[in-house]
Amino acid sequence: GESVGLHLPTLSVQEGDNSIINCAYSNSASDYFIWYKQESGKGPQFIIDIRSNMDKRQGQRVTVLLNKTVKHLSLQIAATQPGDSAVYFCAEGPNSGGYQKVTFGIGTKLQVIP
Amino acid sequence: DTAVSQTPKYLVTQMGNDKSIKCEQNLGHDTMYWYKQDSKKFLKIMFSYNNKELIINETVPNRFSPKSPDKAHLNLHINSLELGDSAVYFCASSQSYGRSYNSPLHFGNGTRLTVT
Repeated sequence: GESVGLHLPTLSVQEGDNSIINCAYSNSASDYFIWYKQESGKGPQFIIDIRSNMDKRQGQRVTVLLNKTVKHLSLQIAATQPGDSAVYFCAEGPNSGGYQKVTFGIGTKLQVIP
Repeated sequence: DTAVSQTPKYLVTQMGNDKSIKCEQNLGHDTMYWYKQDSKKFLKIMFSYNNKELIINETVPNRFSPKSPDKAHLNLHINSLELGDSAVYFCASSQSYGRSYNSPLHFGNGTRLTVT
């Protein structure tokens, strides 16, 4: 369960540009997907979620796309701002005995260049 | 403020000691979790409780023992601490909506445990 040997992927984006963070999930039975943002010294913070019966969902400046065929999830951030700098996690939530068991990906560090 | 709060924020201790981390949520949720985040930022679920009942118990050494006195509290006790236990431990909560409807987890700000 430890991510030994793995490095946190980093995405550097110019302020004002759009950001796209990608995620591949592993469990074809997953029916719920969430994006979280984690700032330094804080816990993960919910951004947006999507259920498996949808392929796109929009929030304020963020859009999540779900491609179940290739088990791919992406988070698009429009007009990226310095405050968007953080580590972003995708998470999948198949039911486990009727209760959700949310499993996190390895995370992507977003660096916004002023 | 409505939140998931955990104490202490920092915990430095020596190998072999026993320590506890406390978590409380006032969001009215019925499900609570413990996650461990390693130095590479990898988040792994350890335990989950629903209405004081243990529902998820991942492969965690039995030195780790969660306790849920009520649905708003989930504590984590760790016996005989080892160097490899050093990590950030996050408490989270969510609402189960009758076991078939997923909802987002709300996280606390973590407890950074350093074992020397």
